[in-house]
Amino acid sequence: DQQVKQNSPSLSVQEGRISILNCDYTNSMFDYFLWYKKYPAEGPTFLISISSIKDKNEDGRFTVFLNKSAKHLSLHIVPSQPGDSAVYFCAASANNAGNMLTFGGGTRLMVKP
Amino acid sequence: ETGVTQSPTHLIKTRGQQVTLRCSSQSGHNTVSWYQQALGQGPQFIFQYYREEENGRGNFPPRFSGLQFPNYSSELNVNALELDDSALYLCASSFGTSGIGYQETQYFGPGTRLLVL
Repeated sequence: DQQVKQNSPSLSVQEGRISILNCDYTNSMFDYFLWYKKYPAEGPTFLISISSIKDKNEDGRFTVFLNKSAKHLSLHIVPSQPGDSAVYFCAASANNAGNMLTFGGGTRLMVKP
Repeated sequence: ETGVTQSPTHLIKTRGQQVTLRCSSQSGHNTVSWYQQALGQGPQFIFQYYREEENGRGNFPPRFSGLQFPNYSSELNVNALELDDSALYLCASSFGTSGIGYQETQYFGPGTRLLVL
């Protein structure tokens, strides 16, 4: 039973345009959500997070939106750059579960010059 | 500030053997979590150590065990290796508290790639 799902395995975007990566979850106990970026042969790099008490968090080119009623979050990257090409993972945790992270399967983003 | 480091970077073992993977947490962090990432999948939580005690465990058998040391570095031990244990093993560190309501951001090391033949 996948509690966190990223339904798009890949996404291709032109440089300068917006990239939107989506993530759905089923566990209503999740209260903290994170996005990580992963390059080949490296560990995941933390990008941005959002608490369930918020519906938006912004950090430079990256914005995460949380829709609790739909159990959906999205990561917007504007403008997209070729260096953003990587695999993006969303992850969720529940404060009453030892802060273990439950990850989605990842979305491979390709930003074309 | 030193990030999370892991050793070794790559390892080849045969079925039935035992393996120990090591992780040094980021300075200032007291919590270490271990994850297994199979090819083409997201990382799966193995267990977490907070102040040298196991603080949560995922759906992994007892042959996966761990330790955390007073300097907050950690080891992951896997006994009786199986072919399906071939994966990238990721360590993440964070600053945890014993209080409820604190949400931690976990920072990952580069991982150890284990191949079981």
